Amino acid sequence: DTGVSQDPRHKITKRGQNVTFRCDPISEHNRLYWYRQTLGQGPEFLTYFQNEAQLEKSRLLSDRFSAERPKGSFSTLEIQRTEQGDSAMYLCASSLQATSGSYEQYFGPGTRLTVT
Amino acid sequence: EDKVVQSPLSLVVHEGDTVTLNCSYEVTNFRSLLWYKQEKKAPTFLFMLTSSGIEKKSGRLSSILDKKELFSILNITATQTGDSAIYLCAFGGSQGNLIFGKGTKLSVKP
Repeated sequence: DTGVSQDPRHKITKRGQNVTFRCDPISEHNRLYWYRQTLGQGPEFLTYFQNEAQLEKSRLLSDRFSAERPKGSFSTLEIQRTEQGDSAMYLCASSLQATSGSYEQYFGPGTRLTVT
Repeated sequence: EDKVVQSPLSLVVHEGDTVTLNCSYEVTNFRSLLWYKQEKKAPTFLFMLTSSGIEKKSGRLSSILDKKELFSILNITATQTGDSAIYLCAFGGSQGNLIFGKGTKLSVKP
């Protein structure tokens, strides 16, 4: 399977704990994106990388959230001191960088986080 | 602030019906408009539209963009129960991210 993969698929944690999610993009894609989706809403952008550089962060990304893509391949998203409001589906997507500025993003299966 | 609005929010039809889903947007620095289908998993890419008036078609699905009136439609003909899903419209911003609408939940009854 050469699509975007995410691990774990489900995570249940207690409030205050730290969690880390992993995303492996499509191998030839140099852009990687993180989104968060809650029930009844479309995905909301969190941050994105071009190769290993983090180019954009949403104001939704509080200082408890950190993302890395150390070698320009896989990426991790860490949430520290989780809160119940962090419960959501965390989606990763990847794309090529298109010179025209138009690009298709392909999504992974997501990690569903439940904070109790 | 950039905004994408989809209508209707939900729709129930019977197999064989034709449906039209609407997406309007108010954005700066328009680059592209994308449609995704989401079942009980991650969004699956359907179409990307960048030019007005050019219809994109894939089987029973088709989509068109009107950049003057700032909207797009997604048509599904001869609907099947497997078309039941949430259809998401997204605007591709200049920063690389996608800005999504809330989606239209389509239910196709046998």
